[in-house]
This record gives sequence, structure tokens and C-alpha cells, in this order.
Amino acid sequence: AQSVTQLGSHVSVSEGALVLLRCNYSSSVPPYLFWYVQYPNQGLQLLLKYTSAATLVKGINGFEAEFKKSETSFHQTKPSAHMSDAAEYFCAVSGGGSGGSNYKLTFGKGTLLTVNP
Amino acid sequence: DAGVTQSPTHLIKTRGQQVTLRCSPKSGHDTVSWYQQALGQGPQFIFQYYEEEERQRGNFPDRFSGHQFPNYSSELNVNALLLGDSALYLCASSLGRSSPLHFGNGTRLTVT
Repeated sequence: AQSVTQLGSHVSVSEGALVLLRCNYSSSVPPYLFWYVQYPNQGLQLLLKYTSAATLVKGINGFEAEFKKSETSFHQTKPSAHMSDAAEYFCAVSGGGSGGSNYKLTFGKGTLLTVNP
Repeated sequence: DAGVTQSPTHLIKTRGQQVTLRCSPKSGHDTVSWYQQALGQGPQFIFQYYEEEERQRGNFPDRFSGHQFPNYSSELNVNALLLGDSALYLCASSLGRSSPLHFGNGTRLTVT
């Protein structure tokens, strides 16, 4: 079984500041890891995905995440926050294996990012 | 190119009733997954359909059932609704089981 813990249900930063969103996972098999963003009244949009290739993954909108197996973490960063980054961010882990990388995604509870002018 | 479309967008039902939610996948996608997102929570996996069969299922009771049609569209049915079934129901489509999921905007179900 897999699980995801997102540290900090709410993160507030100033425009132009570094954004750090934390995610720790638990998985009994080599994981596939994802970050999704959800804007109000919308579905989820994939930001980036780790599938056992490079440990530093670059995504859309300037976000990147680093897979650290020893720390079971997949924290996401963005060097400079924009007002348009304000949204809820979800980290997810997949059971993977023969089920495929989108097999039974398990999501964290989400981190609400607020960007102050 | 239309993305994943879900209908209806909002729905209000009474406890004990039955509901059907619909999903049309993104063009070219053949796999549909359903997730339940309760208020303030992350989405929870309900089940996934591929080649018109339920391939994987999460920890949801048999009151939750689904169907996939030959055109790859899908329905989620929930019987004997409970207050706790109130949530945003998200449909996600993909090409097979390894391509990224594309989510629709969801159906907001309120059970009174």
C-alpha cells in the first residue's frame, strides 16, 4: 500500500519569493510520483511526473521537483512565485508495476498556496 | 480538441436515491478513471475502466458501480446515497494505463 503526506496544508509566500511545497511518500514498490495543481472549480492539471528516470524533474509553469529515495520525499519548488500560481497543489503516488504508472493514484490532502502582492 | 467533459456539473439528491454521472474522455483516450474528492481532501480512487471492463478498484462499497461504452465514454452510478457521498466526482482519461491522466472539471454531488 502507498500513502502520501503533504507537510503544510497552507503555504503563503510573497510574489517573487521561492515556493517550496513538501511531499513525503510511502510505497512498497518503486513509485511513480506526481504533482497536480487544482484551480477553483476546476479539475486537476498535471505539473510534473517522476517515473524512475532523472531524479530532478522539470514541469510546467516553472515548477520542478526532486526525488530523494533516502528521504522518501518529492518536494516541489519554484524560484519565483507569481500571482497566477495561487491554487491547491496535490502530490500523488502510484502503485505502478504491471498496472501502469497511472494505477490507483493515492493523493495527499493538498497544500493551498497563497501568493501575496 | 475537447478535453474530458463531465455532466452534470452540479447535482442535488436526497439520501437513499440513486445517481448517474457521465464522462466523455479526451479525444484519443481509451481509459477512464473515477475519483471522489471530499471537501478539503485529496481525490480518492474509485475505479478504472479499460476495454469496457473494470480493471482496478479502490476501497469503495458495491453501491458504487460503473460502465464504459464502446466509444470509451463512462458512467458512474451510486445507489442508496448517503450524506457522506457528497463530494466532487472527478473523471480522468488516459491512453492506456501509463500515460498521464487528464481530469475533467468534475460533478459536484450534494446529498441532503
